[in-house]
Amino acid sequence: AQSVAQPEDQVNVAEGNPLTVKCTYSVSGNPYLFWYVQYPNRGLQFLLKYITGDNLVKGSYGFEAEFNKSQTSFHLKKPSALVSDSALYFCAVREAPGNTPLVFGKGTRLSVIA
Amino acid sequence: DAGVIQSPRHEVTEMGQEVTLRCKPISGHDYLFWYRQTMMRGLELLIYFNNNVPIDDSGMPEDRFSAKMPNASFSTLKIQPSEPRDSAVYFCASHGTGSYNEQFFGPGTRLTVL
Repeated sequence: AQSVAQPEDQVNVAEGNPLTVKCTYSVSGNPYLFWYVQYPNRGLQFLLKYITGDNLVKGSYGFEAEFNKSQTSFHLKKPSALVSDSALYFCAVREAPGNTPLVFGKGTRLSVIA
Repeated sequence: DAGVIQSPRHEVTEMGQEVTLRCKPISGHDYLFWYRQTMMRGLELLIYFNNNVPIDDSGMPEDRFSAKMPNASFSTLKIQPSEPRDSAVYFCASHGTGSYNEQFFGPGTRLTVL
């Protein structure tokens, strides 16, 4: 069975500092990994995904994520946080190459403080 | 493309009434998903369709919930009769063929059952 863990319910970071939102996953085979962001009263927006190839994936709004197969992790990062990055972030996994639905983590609320 | 379209955006109803939520997926997408989001349970997958056929409805909470997809461009989620505990934000999402594809979410319908 596929699963995703986001160990932190809340992450606080000062504006301008680097941020990391953690995600670990479990699948039987190879994973397809995704990050989504949800702003208040909005739907989830796709940020980036890892399918294959380079372990460092770059996405929207300056975010990037690093796939680490040995640690089964896919942490979301940004070098310099903005107040506007404050939102709810979801990690999701699907086992490749099947067409099962994405399995989402519980979400991590990021607060960037000015 | 207009993205995934959901209507209504807000619905307030009284307990016992029938509620119908509507979704138009992105043109060409052959997978459609219905999710429910609450503070207590987070994001829950209710049901998903492939090529208009329901594939897995194990997440549908009770027989009061039903979903249909009569054609490739329209789906409904119906609750009859509604109860206060059904109050949540309901999201529709779609993606195209290929498990590497990300899901695109609609803006959601905020349902309040009094």
